[in-house]
Amino acid sequence: KAGVTQTPRYLIKTRGQQVTLSCSPISGHRSVSWYQQTPGQGLQFLFEYFSETQRNKGNFPGRFSGRQFSNSRSEMNVSTLELGDSALYLCASSFRINTEAFFGQGTRLTVV
Amino acid sequence: GESVGLHLPTLSVQEGDNSIINCAYSNSASDYFIWYKQESGKGPQFIIDIRSNMDKRQGQRVTVLLNKTVKHLSLQIAATQPGDSAVYFCAETQTTDSWGKFQFGAGTQVVVTP
Repeated sequence: KAGVTQTPRYLIKTRGQQVTLSCSPISGHRSVSWYQQTPGQGLQFLFEYFSETQRNKGNFPGRFSGRQFSNSRSEMNVSTLELGDSALYLCASSFRINTEAFFGQGTRLTVV
Repeated sequence: GESVGLHLPTLSVQEGDNSIINCAYSNSASDYFIWYKQESGKGPQFIIDIRSNMDKRQGQRVTVLLNKTVKHLSLQIAATQPGDSAVYFCAETQTTDSWGKFQFGAGTQVVVTP
């Protein structure tokens, strides 16, 4: 069974630009959550989607948004990028909410 | 100003010895816990989980212990191998309330020496 796939693996963007990251969950998994990982803050929850609905959102500004499609694939978008948005963005999928969550390799975003 | 990275505690273990990684969790209402292993350049890898109705769970070479009284979680790795070198995170959630949000600890760097 294929794992969680995140694309792209690496991105370099300029301040002020926007970016879209993609996540394909494990087949059959309907819950997708997103985390930001930085050396300073560790792993921080961004949002969680289940059946195309955002069920929970972390403490991030409105520049961070996401969505989930009917095939459970998810995207997250960051608009008006800031230097502090440089991070590893991780997606995790699980069969149901609050069960084993499996992470992808992450997308390394660098804002210059 | 310059951001300061989280200071990760480091556990140095000799190959073949047993490792014990500790985690103090924050929410007394948390009822589901997961241990993850993260190697450099990779995403966190699921190791083992435990729910609050248990105090011990065993996997292959790993055991998780949960002490709800003192809000403490530990991961024991038997016969530690060089491939066990990584950062280990505990994650907690309150399943009745959190809707998929896990709170992660800062992590412990495990270094296995030959």
